[in-house]
Amino acid sequence: DIQMTQSPSTLSASVGDRVTITCRASQSISTWLAWYQQKPGKAPKLLIYKASSLENGVPSRFSGSGSGTEFTLTISSLQPDDFATYYCQQYNSYFGGGTKVEIK
Amino acid sequence: EVQLVESGGGLVRPGGSLRLSCAASGFTFRNAWMSWVRQAPGKGLEWVGRIKIKTDGGTADYAAPVKGRFTISRDDSKNMLYLQMNSLKTEDTAVYYCTGVPVGIVYWGQGTLVIVSS
Repeated sequence: DIQMTQSPSTLSASVGDRVTITCRASQSISTWLAWYQQKPGKAPKLLIYKASSLENGVPSRFSGSGSGTEFTLTISSLQPDDFATYYCQQYNSYFGGGTKVEIK
Repeated sequence: EVQLVESGGGLVRPGGSLRLSCAASGFTFRNAWMSWVRQAPGKGLEWVGRIKIKTDGGTADYAAPVKGRFTISRDDSKNMLYLQMNSLKTEDTAVYYCTGVPVGIVYWGQGTLVIVSS
């Protein structure tokens, strides 16, 4: 099984900061990676699919990059609505452990 | 519009069984790998298992915590996905989501709550 490792597990940042979250796969998954945002009590929201494609309606401050085993999610300028937990997932398989983005 | 609607959740005793269903619409279901994902209270997202499309063999794979107890199946004629859960444990308490990948984008349902408690 391919395992997904996400870092950091918690991130403290301020509005306007540039934020980067990393996801590593234990072996190559090409670009079969999705990024989600989840807020308490809500279903996960798809942000990025196929590693770097922005889902319709998602603000352009979110971007994804990477292929093979190393992936990143970047928020170019953190907004108040972005404080949430973020997950990476290999398609139809395991998730990373999550990154909680907190207010600094 | 793509829709995935889960049903069948509820309260069940430890050792009991439950079958979840997921009704799909708005995409070509037979072309979509489908998965079940769960989230226990206060915990992260956990992949439960997936079922491939028939042309890829139609087989199912499972995460270790549920292997041998849970069975995923699909009925392409009805656009339905199922999760048969047997020998349920208290640690299976979670919101269960179905997800589908028809053409590269991942779609999610809103989830159904399963509570395993005596």
